[in-house]
Amino acid sequence: ETGVTQSPTHLIKTRGQQVTLRCSSQSGHNTVSWYQQALGQGPQFIFQYYREEENGRGNFPPRFSGLQFPNYSSELNVNALELDDSALYLCASSSRGAGAGETQYFGPGTRLLVL
Amino acid sequence: RKEVEQDPGPFNVPEGATVAFNCTYSNSASQSFFWYRQDCRKEPKLLMSVYSSGNEDGRFTAQLNRASQYISLLIRDSKLSDSATYLCVVKEGYKLSFGAGTTVTVRA
Repeated sequence: ETGVTQSPTHLIKTRGQQVTLRCSSQSGHNTVSWYQQALGQGPQFIFQYYREEENGRGNFPPRFSGLQFPNYSSELNVNALELDDSALYLCASSSRGAGAGETQYFGPGTRLLVL
Repeated sequence: RKEVEQDPGPFNVPEGATVAFNCTYSNSASQSFFWYRQDCRKEPKLLMSVYSSGNEDGRFTAQLNRASQYISLLIRDSKLSDSATYLCVVKEGYKLSFGAGTTVTVRA
């Protein structure tokens, strides 16, 4: 096990609603990255948080936002949900500056279904 | 053009067989390379990093060709437990870019 936890495991929402997903990083890790994985696709980078600030962002609209807390846990918020937001949302933790390619370790994911 | 492109398979092989597949990446400035494994409805798990000189981890051998921007994975003596989707991953700065995955099924 990686020690990265995510909640909830599954979620069903309707179009237009808002959702908050949570992630606790592995002990000793200071960086959290979020990815969206649609069915049959590889994970797509949403953004990364380091020391409570957004460190980089992929090609996702502003209705995808996040937070990182002093204990390095993180939230992903999605507003105005669309049907295409249905996916597996993965959180990955890593230790910035650790070298060795800064390996990212993934949590089990939150499976979101938008109806 | 996608950042990372993989042969999707599926590869259906008998136990004990050797299977190999590859991926290409578009950004020549990419810094680090990995293979992750993903079981059905589970999270990706790091299988191995890929180094320029090529590297082995037990039955798994990875190769990197920076000039051709090409990464490969070879699995020897396939086991039933090797059945999974293998994700080719390229690190560029802070983010990981994933291929869509190659599905491997090992049959008894």
